[in-house]
Amino acid sequence: DGGITQSPKYLFRKEGQNVTLSCEQNLNHDAMYWYRQDPGQGLRLIYYSQIVNDFQKGDIAEGYSVSREKKESFPLTVTSAQKNPTAFYLCASSIGGTGNSPLHFGNGTRLTVT
Amino acid sequence: AQSVTQLGSHVSVSEGALVLLRCNYSSSVPPYLFWYVQYPNQGLQLLLKYTTGATLVKGINGFEAEFKKSETSFHLTKPSAHMSDAAEYFCAVRFTTGGSNYKLTFGKGTLLTVNP
Repeated sequence: DGGITQSPKYLFRKEGQNVTLSCEQNLNHDAMYWYRQDPGQGLRLIYYSQIVNDFQKGDIAEGYSVSREKKESFPLTVTSAQKNPTAFYLCASSIGGTGNSPLHFGNGTRLTVT
Repeated sequence: AQSVTQLGSHVSVSEGALVLLRCNYSSSVPPYLFWYVQYPNQGLQLLLKYTTGATLVKGINGFEAEFKKSETSFHLTKPSAHMSDAAEYFCAVRFTTGGSNYKLTFGKGTLLTVNP
C-alpha cells in the first residue's frame, strides 16, 4: 500500500540535543511538507519542498532544518535552537504543490524534550 | 491577512443529531478548500475538497460541505452523527494569491464529541 511513513511514533530527548525525525513516502509525490501541531493551534508549516534538492522555509522554520536528497525522503532535524520543541510533528506530501492537490499525511511523531 | 477561522473549538452533539462545523476564510479570491479529520494520535485524513464547479461537495463517511462565496464560508455537515464521528476536524485553505499557493493554511480545529 502506498503511503507516508513517519518514524518513530514517540521520541524522547534531553534539552540541548538535536534530533532527526524520519519521513518516507512511496506515493511518487513531488511535494513534501513538515507541519507542527500544538493543542488548540492547528497545524503550522515548518518547511516544504517541491522538488528534490530544493526546499523553502515555512512560517515557523527557526530552530529546524531539512534535506531533500531523494524524492521519497524528507527528514526534519529539530535543533537545540528550537525554544519549544515538544510537539506533534506531521509530514505530508502531495502530487503537486499548488492548486487543488490535497495533502496526504503520515501518522506523526510525538516529540517530548525534557 | 489571509486566514482561516473555525468557529467553536469544541462541538458536542447527540448520536443521530445534525453535525454542523463552521469554517470561514478571508480572501477576495475564492481559494481551494479542504476538510480533514484527525483521530487521536494519528495523522490527518482528507474528508472532502472543493475546487471549482458544484458548490455542494460530498465526502467520505456521509459528510458534505457547501461553498458559499458571498459568505466566504465552507461549513461541514452530516445529517446524523455517529459515535465513530468523534474526532477533531480541520478546515484547510490553499489561497491563490499573495504567494501562498504552495501551502495549506489550517484552522485551529474543532473537536467533535458525540454523546450516546
